[in-house]
Amino acid sequence: QKEVEQNSGPLSVPEGAIASLNCTYSDRGSQSFFWYRQYSGKSPELIMFIYSNGDKEDGRFTAQLNKASQYVSLLIRDSQPSDSATYLCAVTGFQKLVFGTGTRLLVSP
Amino acid sequence: KAGVTQTPRYLIKTRGQQVTLSCSPISGHRSVSWYQQTPGQGLQFLFEYFSETQRNKGNFPGRFSGRQFSNSRSEMNVSTLELGDSALYLCASSPRQGTEAFFGQGTRLTVV
Repeated sequence: QKEVEQNSGPLSVPEGAIASLNCTYSDRGSQSFFWYRQYSGKSPELIMFIYSNGDKEDGRFTAQLNKASQYVSLLIRDSQPSDSATYLCAVTGFQKLVFGTGTRLLVSP
Repeated sequence: KAGVTQTPRYLIKTRGQQVTLSCSPISGHRSVSWYQQTPGQGLQFLFEYFSETQRNKGNFPGRFSGRQFSNSRSEMNVSTLELGDSALYLCASSPRQGTEAFFGQGTRLTVV
C-alpha cells in the first residue's frame, strides 16, 4: 500500500464547476497535510495546508481533512482553465514529507 | 524574502560523467530535500538534510549523494551518469523537518 494515494486522473470539469480532488494516506500518526499545484514543466507550488479535522477555506480553494477516515480533499470552486495542472497531496509522517503521485485536472472553457 | 534557488537551471551531460547540483534554501530554513521527477512519474524522494546531517534517504543507488553546509546550502552529486538519470531535479526547503516545503525552479538534467 502506498503511503499517499491519489487518482492520477485526468479529472475533467467544465469552467465554472467545482473540482474535487481526493487523497488518502496510510499513516494514522500523520499531523500535517498539504496541497501543491504543479503546472507542466514547472516546480510544485504550495497552495493549501491543513492540520485539523474539518474544512479550511482560502479564496476559491477549500481543504477538507478527515483523520478518522484518513483522507484529505481539495475543492476548487468556480474552476478556471488556468487551474488546469497536476495537484499533489503531501502528508507528514515520522518527520518526513510524503507526496502522492498527483491528480491531473483539466478545466475546459 | 528570496525563494529557493537552484543552479544550474539546465545541464547536458554525457553518460559516465558526474554532475553536481546546488540549492540555496529560503533564509532561516534548515531542512533541504531533493527529489527526482521524470515524465509520467511522481516526485521521487532522494534525500533530506537537516543541520548538515542526512536524516532521510529514498530508494536510489549510491551514485546519488548529497551534503549540506553550515549555511544550509545543499549540493547533490550524481556519479557515473546513466541515460535514465535524465530528469527534473527539485530541491525543497522547509523551516524544520516534516513541515511545509517550498520548491526551487529545478535543474533539468539531460544525459546523452
